[in-house]
Amino acid sequence: DVKVTQSSRYLVKRTGEKVFLECVQDMDHENMFWYRQDPGLGLRLIYFSYDVKMKEKGDIPEGYSVSREKKERFSLILESASTNQTSMYLCASSFPGTDYEQYFGPGTRLTVT
Amino acid sequence: AQKVTQAQTEISVVEKEDVTLDCVYETRDTTYYLFWYKQPPSGELVFLIRRNSFDEQNEISGRYSWNFQKSTSSFNFTITASQVVDSAVYFCALNPQGGSEKLVFGKGTKLTVNP
Repeated sequence: DVKVTQSSRYLVKRTGEKVFLECVQDMDHENMFWYRQDPGLGLRLIYFSYDVKMKEKGDIPEGYSVSREKKERFSLILESASTNQTSMYLCASSFPGTDYEQYFGPGTRLTVT
Repeated sequence: AQKVTQAQTEISVVEKEDVTLDCVYETRDTTYYLFWYKQPPSGELVFLIRRNSFDEQNEISGRYSWNFQKSTSSFNFTITASQVVDSAVYFCALNPQGGSEKLVFGKGTKLTVNP
C-alpha cells in the first residue's frame, strides 16, 4: 500500500527555534512536495523536489529551506520559526509527469509560540 | 495563468441529499490534467479521480460522479445520496502539461453532511 509518513502529527515550537519536518515515502517516487494549508487560503506549495539534491521554489518559499539527500526522504526546515509559520504542513510525493496523482501524508500541525 | 476556482466555500446538506461541488479552471495549455481530492477530518488528502483534457466522458464511481466540460472549463463533482462519512473538504486541482508537475489547487469546499 502506498505510504507517505510525516515525523510528527503535532508540534509546538518557540519563536526563533530551528524546526525540522520530515517526510518519508516508500513508493520510489521521484517527486516530493511540501505544502502549507491555512484556512481560507487552501494549499500553497512551499518547495518541490524532482530528484535527490534537486529542488525548486514553490509559491511561498520565504522563511523555509529543504533538504533531499535520499530519494525517499524530504525535509522541510524552518531556520528561525516565527508565529506566522503556525500552520498545517502537508508532504506529498508522485511519479514524474503531469498525469500522475500526488500522494499525501497525514500532515503536521505546527504551532509556533 | 493557471487558476482553479471553487466558488462554494462551505456546503451543508442533510443525509441522502445529492450535492454538487463546482470547479472552474483556467489554463492556456491544451493538454492538462484535472484532479479531485478529499480531505476528511483526519487531515490526509485522498486522491479521488484524474481526468485528462482529451477525455470529456463523464465518470461514475459508486455514489460519486464527475462532469467534465471543456466548453465551460468546469470539472464538477456530484455525490448522490450523501452520507455523513462524505463530510470533508474537497479540493479540485489542475496540472497543466506545460507546467513543472506542480498542482494548482482550488481553495477547497467544505462539505458537511448532517444526519
